[in-house]
Amino acid sequence: EPEVTQTPSHQVTQMGQEVILRCVPISNHLYFYWYRQILGQKVEFLVSFYNNEISEKSEIFDDQFSVERPDGSNFTLKIRSTKLEDSAMYFCASSPQGNEGGYTFGSGTRLTVV
Amino acid sequence: AQTVTQSQPEMSVQEAETVTLSCTYDTSESDYYLFWYKQPPSRQMILVIRQEAYKQQNATENRFSVNFQKAAKSFSLKISDSQLGDAAMYFCAYRSARRDDKIIFGKGTRLHILP
Repeated sequence: EPEVTQTPSHQVTQMGQEVILRCVPISNHLYFYWYRQILGQKVEFLVSFYNNEISEKSEIFDDQFSVERPDGSNFTLKIRSTKLEDSAMYFCASSPQGNEGGYTFGSGTRLTVV
Repeated sequence: AQTVTQSQPEMSVQEAETVTLSCTYDTSESDYYLFWYKQPPSRQMILVIRQEAYKQQNATENRFSVNFQKAAKSFSLKISDSQLGDAAMYFCAYRSARRDDKIIFGKGTRLHILP
């Protein structure tokens, strides 16, 4: 079964550093998403992306965040200057045209900011 | 705005017994999807079951079934013959049927399976 692949699985970074989280969505999917889950809390929407532009973003997705689909296969989330409170699990997801309701989530990247 | 509420932060069930997890939601839309996701200790998000709001028949996937009450905006998950591998966090989630809308999650219910 096709999968959404996320790398790395775990990243530790120093406060103030830039990080890039990588995702390879399912190849025929057209809609892409990033979510985050702070430990012990619920899963929160960050941003959706379609046709090479942001469709919607949440209040969490401020100027420190950006997304890109640089080469037609990868979908990246960049955090420009990490803060301690950015420590969380970050999930990438994708869904196909036709919107049958189904998302496929990646296995997540655990980001730890120290 | 749509909201999803799970009123049971934790539940326990004996192995082989049946357990029901509750979920209510609020929306003004008529066409949408509802989901239950399982999150084991690995923290991966695994889709357990999906329900289309326009379908009256409750969805079933092996030991997992839902009780979808559209008028009451209720969407409970029943796990039959509970197994140790069912121990996880379970999230109820909502998504509008609009083309690329986001999924909205509840806060989750942690399910413990007692041997």
